[in-house]
Amino acid sequence: QAQLVESGGGLVKPGGSLRLSCAASGFSFSDFYMSWIRQAPGKGLEWVSYISGSGSTIYYADSVRGRFSIFRDNAKNSVYLQMNSLRAEDTAVYYCARGSGSSWSWREDCWGQGTLVTVSS
Amino acid sequence: DIQMTQSPSSLSASVGDRVTITCRASQGISNYLAWYQQKPGKAPNLLIYAASTLQSGVPFRFSGSGSGTDFTLTISSLQPEDVATYYCQKYDSAPRTFGQGTKVEIK
Repeated sequence: QAQLVESGGGLVKPGGSLRLSCAASGFSFSDFYMSWIRQAPGKGLEWVSYISGSGSTIYYADSVRGRFSIFRDNAKNSVYLQMNSLRAEDTAVYYCARGSGSSWSWREDCWGQGTLVTVSS
Repeated sequence: DIQMTQSPSSLSASVGDRVTITCRASQGISNYLAWYQQKPGKAPNLLIYAASTLQSGVPFRFSGSGSGTDFTLTISSLQPEDVATYYCQKYDSAPRTFGQGTKVEIK
């Protein structure tokens, strides 16, 4: 069955960088959109970014645009989130999720377990 | 950007009760709405998409309705394992905004 495993979280100082990885298995990775969604401690869900199966379509939330970059390597069945200029408010559990449905209408139907990013001096 | 507003923010009900959660979009989103359940310490789990389509494996006591701006998630008979926070999400276009969540507890 479909499985997503995130890695790369940790403690980083404000202004620092971190790259998150999400390894997929159990499905044809290149056929699916992939998203990153985060959840600050004790808070709700915040969508961060998504990328199409081919990598040609990418969107970012306003809160991370210009600082975060999403990309994928379909040969490695992996999607990544490069996070630069990190701020305290980026502290959260980061989930990757698979998007299922048509190219104009897809929902996140499979989620990883999440990886914690803490931005603190 | 379209805002998603859930109500109530929390509720307490007895086992067997019918529970209703609402989600309102600030502009019409047709039926491009999903509902997720998140249990403490776990990743969210897709319950319903296209406003009313039950995801495979989800118990039939969960149902969704609505279109345009007003949507509802109903649990027909609340069970102890339904204790969780429930989120709606629009997916008609980016940003794919979530509601603020509704925490459901057992009375």
